[in-house]
Amino acid sequence: SAVISQKPSRDICQRGTSLTIQCQVDSQVTMMFWYRQQPGQSLTLIATANQGSEATYESGFVIDKFPISRPNLTFSTLTVSNMSPEDSSIYLCSVGGGGGRAGGTEAFFGQGTRLTVV
Amino acid sequence: GQQVMQIPQYQHVQEGEDFTTYCNSSTTLSNIQWYKQRPGGHPVFLIQLVKSGEVKKQKRLTFQFGEAKKNSSLHITATQTTDVGTYFCAGREGYSSASKIIFGSGTRLSIRP
Repeated sequence: SAVISQKPSRDICQRGTSLTIQCQVDSQVTMMFWYRQQPGQSLTLIATANQGSEATYESGFVIDKFPISRPNLTFSTLTVSNMSPEDSSIYLCSVGGGGGRAGGTEAFFGQGTRLTVV
Repeated sequence: GQQVMQIPQYQHVQEGEDFTTYCNSSTTLSNIQWYKQRPGGHPVFLIQLVKSGEVKKQKRLTFQFGEAKKNSSLHITATQTTDVGTYFCAGREGYSSASKIIFGSGTRLSIRP
C-alpha cells in the first residue's frame, strides 16, 4: 500500500493566477499520475509523471497549462496555470495502477485538492 | 480511444434492496478494477478481475468480468447506508507496465434508510 499526502486540500483562486499542488508519497514510486475530477464526474487522467523525464500528457492537456515537476521518486507537483472558472475541479494525484502480465496493481489516491476559481 | 461507460448514472434504493452497476468497454480489457468513492472522499480500491468470466465476492458485493473481457458488473445484496457513494470501474487495455487505467463514468448510489 501507499500513503499519499496532497496539499492544499482546497483553495479559492482568482482567475489568471496559478496554483501549485503538491503530492508526497511515503515510498519510492516510478510513476505518479495526476487526475482531474469535475463535480459529479469521473476521473480524467491529465498526465503521467516519471522521475527523470518529461511528463506524458493525455489528449486535451498541455504542459503550458499543467506543468508538472517530478524531482525525486517520492514527490511531484502539478501547477494549474492562468486559471479560469472552467478549471474549477478536484485534482488528485495517484500512484500504483501500473500494468503488467499479472494484471496490474491497484491505484492509491491522495485526498484531492478542491479548486474553485472565481 | 478506449471508452468505459457505466450504467446507471444514478441509483436510489431503499435500504435492504439490491443494487447493480454495469460497466462496458469499447475495447477488450486486460483487467478491470472497481473503486468506491464516498461523498467528499477519494477513490478507494475494491477489487481487480483479470480472467475471462471471473467472479469474485466480498461479503455482500459480487463482481463479475464478462467472457469477452469487455464488460463487468458489481452487485450489492441487501444494501446498507454504508454503501452510499459512487462506484467506478476502471479498465486497462494492455499488459505493459505503462498501460493506463481508464475510469468509467461512475454510478452514484444513494440509499433511503
